[in-house]
Amino acid sequence: EPEVTQTPSHQVTQMGQEVILRCVPISNHLYFYWYRQILGQKVEFLVSFYNNEISEKSEIFDDQFSVERPDGSNFTLKIRSTKLEDSAMYFCASNNRTYEQYFGPGTRLTVT
Amino acid sequence: EDKVVQSPLSLVVHEGDTVTLNCSYEVTNFRSLLWYKQEKKAPTFLFMLTSSGIEKKSGRLSSILDKKELFSILNITATQTGDSAVYLCAQRPAAGNMLTFGGGTRLMVKP
Repeated sequence: EPEVTQTPSHQVTQMGQEVILRCVPISNHLYFYWYRQILGQKVEFLVSFYNNEISEKSEIFDDQFSVERPDGSNFTLKIRSTKLEDSAMYFCASNNRTYEQYFGPGTRLTVT
Repeated sequence: EDKVVQSPLSLVVHEGDTVTLNCSYEVTNFRSLLWYKQEKKAPTFLFMLTSSGIEKKSGRLSSILDKKELFSILNITATQTGDSAVYLCAQRPAAGNMLTFGGGTRLMVKP
């Protein structure tokens, strides 16, 4: 069964450093998303991406964040200058036109 | 103000019990409601509900949506220890695809 994959599973970085989180969505899916979950809190939407552009973004997704689909398979989330409060589990998700979003296993980002 | 509210926050049952998890949502800007099971990491898709009164079923799990009363329930019959997880519901709006999640119900099934 096709799955969304994410790398790395865990990333530790120092405050102020740039990080890139990587995702490979399910191959025939057209819509891609990033969500995050701070420990003990709700899953929160960050951004959606369709047809090579951002279609929606939340207030969390400020100028420090960017997304890219550099090739036909990868979808990345970049955080330019990490802050302590960026520590969270970051989930990538994708769907086709049935709109059932399938989530990847997540990347745990720890900012020290 | 929370848009998606789940209850109970947590639940402990014994194997073989039947459980009902609740999810209420706001009426404005609603298109569908999704249920997920979250074990250690990723939310795993269970159901998407769009129409009121039509039950969706998968094995021992079933779910139904009430668009008049603005809630959904997830039923699990004959629970097993493997059902222990956090169950999340999420609302998808009429415009756009961003999901708004509830806080989840933590279910623990004891042997």
